[in-house]
Amino acid sequence: QKEVEQDPGPLSVPEGAIVSLNCTYSNSAFQYFMWYRQYSRKGPELLMYTYSSGNKEDGRFTAQVDKSSKYISLFIRDSQPSDSATYLCAMTPGNTPLVFGKGTRLSVIA
Amino acid sequence: KAGVTQTPRYLIKTRGQQVTLSCSPISGHRSVSWYQQTPGQGLQFLFEYFSETQRNKGNFPGRFSGRQFSNSRSEMNVSTLELGDSALYLCASSGGTPLGYTFGSGTRLTVV
Repeated sequence: QKEVEQDPGPLSVPEGAIVSLNCTYSNSAFQYFMWYRQYSRKGPELLMYTYSSGNKEDGRFTAQVDKSSKYISLFIRDSQPSDSATYLCAMTPGNTPLVFGKGTRLSVIA
Repeated sequence: KAGVTQTPRYLIKTRGQQVTLSCSPISGHRSVSWYQQTPGQGLQFLFEYFSETQRNKGNFPGRFSGRQFSNSRSEMNVSTLELGDSALYLCASSGGTPLGYTFGSGTRLTVV
């Protein structure tokens, strides 16, 4: 079992839809949870992060962490074609390198 | 401020050759990490350098090596290239927190 599991998709949604992206993990030591967005031919860029459990909202984006279920989510409201990218979850206990999911490719169709 | 710069952007090499990739971190960042990204395995951690010392190492064969210079610039080297080494190699610099990773655009290596 990989430490971090993420459905690779691809996921295709119409413009304006609510998108839900998810990751599960097995290492209970993970404390920092991040979502990165990667456009084609670019490196990943940090989108949102959460420390420990709970929710965090930033504009159209909401990140949720459920440590009891070892499950994290990213919700995108009112999705736009410019949101089309690969979304990667990443996590770490804090003192070791980031462990990434494989990424979910999202296409938002106008 | 300038981001993380990786050179070259694209490389084509033949099996058995060696290759050196370069990464210039954000000014002031002392930690540099390298990742390999492939469609099948996603991002896999190669190694991390901090103040010229390797701090962490991933599960890659010894053909993969790296170093960091006193100005924090880093290089990674792959010797005796194999077809399976074809990947996007990403470098990330950090000022010291897990939340501070900034990635470069990567070097696309193709081994033929």
